[in-house]
Amino acid sequence: ETAVFQTPNYHVTQVGNEVSFNCKQTLGHDTMYWYKQDSKKLLKIMFSYNNKQLIVNETVPRRFSPQSSDKAHLNLRIKSVEPEDSAVYLCASSSRGANQDTQYFGPGTRLLVL
Amino acid sequence: GDSVTQTEGLVTLTKGLPVMLNCTYQTTYSPFLFWYVQHLNEAPKLLLKSSTDNKRTEHQGFYATLHKSSSSFHLQKSSVQLSDSALYFCALSDRNNYAQGLTFGLGTRVSVFP
Repeated sequence: ETAVFQTPNYHVTQVGNEVSFNCKQTLGHDTMYWYKQDSKKLLKIMFSYNNKQLIVNETVPRRFSPQSSDKAHLNLRIKSVEPEDSAVYLCASSSRGANQDTQYFGPGTRLLVL
Repeated sequence: GDSVTQTEGLVTLTKGLPVMLNCTYQTTYSPFLFWYVQHLNEAPKLLLKSSTDNKRTEHQGFYATLHKSSSSFHLQKSSVQLSDSALYFCALSDRNNYAQGLTFGLGTRVSVFP
């Protein structure tokens, strides 16, 4: 049963355009994440957000920025896309508690930059 | 920095045979280890997790034991099924700072044939 929702499923755009991806979780978790999965299926964390505080920001390009309105939502904006941004972007959430540390992933948004 | 190593990129085998996927890690903190499985065009889903040294954990016929002395968390199954064909990721997090996110290995693709 899906509890982490992502839109859109798929997005095609041109180099230089701005894109925004949405993520919502209904698990009541306090931390959300964005991961990038490249064409070789390598998964790397980009950001994590806990109580509206950016906790982890790996060496991602400055054109990427997370945007959160509340703890259930964490969107990802790319200001000016580059060809190397083509990938699947996975949103996840987790929380401290009985099932601590387990991250639940959304289905992903596949981005193709032409 | 932290790292996870999965030595096999691709494992092909016949239904009913046993399988073992290797996972070793490097970290300076108290680790939480995970195995995630990702079927084609789906989100990664948790298969197993452990932070307890030398204790076997099992789920859906898969099992693994965290050995801190050798920094390993190998995944095993005694008899694979066709439905086990998927991408398997070993991942690591800081047990005391889950919000840092997961460090993933490169993944092992398992292909099971009739």
